[in-house]
Amino acid sequence: QQQVKQSPQSLIVQKGGISIINCAYENTAFDYFPWYQQFPGKGPALLIAIRPDVSEKKEGRFTISFNKSAKQFSLHIMDSQPGDSATYFCAAGVESGYSTLTFGKGTMLLVSP
Amino acid sequence: NAGVTQTPKFRILKIGQSMTLQCTQDMNHNYMYWYRQDPGMGLKLIYYSVGAGITDKGEVPNGYNVSRSTTEDFPLRLELAAPSQTSVYFCASKGQHYEQYFGPGTRLTVT
Repeated sequence: QQQVKQSPQSLIVQKGGISIINCAYENTAFDYFPWYQQFPGKGPALLIAIRPDVSEKKEGRFTISFNKSAKQFSLHIMDSQPGDSATYFCAAGVESGYSTLTFGKGTMLLVSP
Repeated sequence: NAGVTQTPKFRILKIGQSMTLQCTQDMNHNYMYWYRQDPGMGLKLIYYSVGAGITDKGEVPNGYNVSRSTTEDFPLRLELAAPSQTSVYFCASKGQHYEQYFGPGTRLTVT
């Protein structure tokens, strides 16, 4: 069964600190790795995504690090802000075929003021 | 553009009742998906569609049915509601690129 394992389940970070969320996958055919952000009462929204041809992608305060040999990828949130408090989901998918995504179980991030 | 819209926002069903969760997108996307989200369990794919008239099962299809008669609409049908179907349901759509756009969700309680 295709799985994406995400950790930690919850995370508390001080304002200005670095938040780090990790994911591991099993299926080597996966070639697309997005992170989704979800605020309470809302649907998930794409935050940032990476493909395995690069080891890192940065967008503002958000960075994805990707380790193909270890089959792991992580989200780093620099200078974390209270507005970043949300649930974060990693996911993985295959470009060809029907483009379904397998999601991790999510990480609830709380950034304390 | 409204994006992906879902109705209703909330619903309480009695065991054995049936209902249809509505999903509409106005982005002319071919791909559409139904997920359920349970606390601490992430998003589980129920059904998906790659275009009008074409649907397929996801990871957790039991107890649900779908149809796709138009590009815009992808309703999810619960025929005999069970307490295990208490969840938040999200519809999503995807166009040419990878990004899936999610609706605001329907919170369903079966008692």
